[in-house]
Amino acid sequence: GDSVTQMEGPVTLSEEAFLTINCTYTATGYPSLFWYVQYPGEGLQLLLKATKADDKGSNKGFEATYRKETTSFHLEKGSVQVSDSAVYFCALVKAAGNKLTFGGGTRVLVKP
Amino acid sequence: GAVVSQHPSRVICKSGTSVKIECRSLDFQATTMFWYRQFPKQSLMLMATSNEGSKATYEQGVEKDKFLINHASLTLSTLTVTSAHPEDSSFYICSAGKGGSRTEAFFGQGTRLTVV
Repeated sequence: GDSVTQMEGPVTLSEEAFLTINCTYTATGYPSLFWYVQYPGEGLQLLLKATKADDKGSNKGFEATYRKETTSFHLEKGSVQVSDSAVYFCALVKAAGNKLTFGGGTRVLVKP
Repeated sequence: GAVVSQHPSRVICKSGTSVKIECRSLDFQATTMFWYRQFPKQSLMLMATSNEGSKATYEQGVEKDKFLINHASLTLSTLTVTSAHPEDSSFYICSAGKGGSRTEAFFGQGTRLTVV
């Protein structure tokens, strides 16, 4: 079946550091790929998405490129802030109906 | 985007009682909603798919008689945890999509259930 694997956390960074969270997927066909962010005690918010190969999703300084050849969708941000401290989930959806397959989540802690 | 509202955000109940959690799509109609459970510091586990006007589809290992799902309208799905036990304490999250294939889902704020 479909699966998403992302790097385990926690990832601890200093403010203004570069952040990369690796995400790879296994799926047949052509899934859409997403990054969701979860702040403490809250639900999930869509951070960015890409629907086809070579698409780049971007939002709030975060970027991720849909790489079909490596089945990857790595999340990057050039300069993190304390407010970026959260749990980040990589996910894919393939079939109609918005049923998501999630990675395990990566907790990011940014220290001042 | 689209707004999905979940209520209550926190609830504490006694063992043996039932708790109902509501999930509403505020500005769109959702024929399908999803209910997830999240354990501390873990990912989301899909519990069931809620289908408007029909029975929910439960994932393997999820007790349908314990976690009752009702999707009576295109904007409301409810999850009722029946005869709650402390091990049911968890963070429950719903999501809904606006339709179409391979599109993103919109999530509610989540409900923190504590059974004492």
